[in-house]
Amino acid sequence: GNSVTQMEGPVTLSEEAFLTINCTYTATGYPSLFWYVQYPGEGLQLLLKATKADDKGSNKGFEATYRKETTSFHLEKGSVQVSDSAVYFCALTVSGSARQLTFGSGTQLTVLP
Amino acid sequence: SQTIHQWPATLVQPVGSPLSLECTVEGTSNPNLYWYRQAAGRGLQLLFYSVGIGQISSEVPQNLSASRPQDRQFILSSKKLLLSDSGFYLCAWLSGNTIYFGEGSWLTVV
Repeated sequence: GNSVTQMEGPVTLSEEAFLTINCTYTATGYPSLFWYVQYPGEGLQLLLKATKADDKGSNKGFEATYRKETTSFHLEKGSVQVSDSAVYFCALTVSGSARQLTFGSGTQLTVLP
Repeated sequence: SQTIHQWPATLVQPVGSPLSLECTVEGTSNPNLYWYRQAAGRGLQLLFYSVGIGQISSEVPQNLSASRPQDRQFILSSKKLLLSDSGFYLCAWLSGNTIYFGEGSWLTVV
């Protein structure tokens, strides 16, 4: 089956620190990979995605590279801001009629001023 | 452009009462639609998905049900709510290979 293993949280950083949230996956077939972000009290927003090996997804200063050889999709940001405080979810889908998302457990990030 | 709406945004319901959460998608036709639940402090759980009108697949046995009476409408229901049904419910739809989420509905069963 499909699964996503995500770095345990919570993660607390100071503003302007470097962020890495690890994500590894197992999948039957060839997955597309996603990072979603959930700000307090809100729904999930797509942050970035990558659909094939070596693709780099990027948005709002966040980046993640699809590494097929290590089955990883780690999220990085060079300088976090207080406004980045949220829960981050790694997820995957594989092709098929339903395209269901398999989620990681989520990582709570708190950025302190 | 495509948008997704779900309502109500929040509701407080007594145990044993019925539930109806509604989701509509605009700007697309015959989308795959999904209902997820996020219990407090937990990740996301897929409850139902639908690939077309009247076609519902259930992922988790429970006292909830889903219906798709129209192409772009997806409804989550319960005849009698349990305390354990409390949580954050998210409707979602598939565009290409990407799933997009609605704003979510907070349900508190008291």
